Amino acid sequence: DTGVSQDPRHKITKRGQNVTFRCDPISEHNRLYWYRQTLGQGPEFLTYFQNEAQLEKSRLLSDRFSAERPKGSFSTLEIQRTEQGDSAMYLCASSLFGGQDNSGNTIYFGEGSWLTVV
Amino acid sequence: GESVGLHLPTLSVQEGDNSIINCAYSNSASDYFIWYKQESGKGPQFIIDIRSNMDKRQGQRVTVLLNKTVKHLSLQIAATQPGDSAVYFCAEMKTSYDKVIFGPGTSLSVIP
Repeated sequence: DTGVSQDPRHKITKRGQNVTFRCDPISEHNRLYWYRQTLGQGPEFLTYFQNEAQLEKSRLLSDRFSAERPKGSFSTLEIQRTEQGDSAMYLCASSLFGGQDNSGNTIYFGEGSWLTVV
Repeated sequence: GESVGLHLPTLSVQEGDNSIINCAYSNSASDYFIWYKQESGKGPQFIIDIRSNMDKRQGQRVTVLLNKTVKHLSLQIAATQPGDSAVYFCAEMKTSYDKVIFGPGTSLSVIP
């Protein structure tokens, strides 16, 4: 499978615990995005990277959230001191910026990581 | 703030009929629009896109129409099949290299 890969797919944690999600983008994609989606809503943008540089962060990304992409390949999203309101699906996506094909910056999503905070 | 939204939250169609899913957007500066399909428990799947300098684009069984005058986007699915049942999101990007901003989605149910 050469798509965007996310791990774990499901995580149940107690309030106050820290959780970390990992995303492996499509090979050679230089852009990587994180979104959050709650039931019945569209995905909400959190942050994105180009290579290892974090270029934009949404106001939704509180101080308890941190995302990294240290080597410009995989990325991690850590949530510290989880709250029940953090329960959601966390989606990762990737794209190729500056590619030579005519598809523009098509953004491909992974299957998501479901977080339940109890 | 400006956002992308949808007219109808749910749509039911008979198998074999054509489906039309509508979307209104408010950011006239957006240059790029995309339709995504999301099946239950899965991530959004790219269907088709269109740039603001176009008013129609066709794919396999799908057509996207863009009316910039009234800021309206639609997705037409020909000969709708049970496998088309999903939530459909319209989304926008300020440029083709920006982040994607999603609307709230329309749930399509196909009646066999």
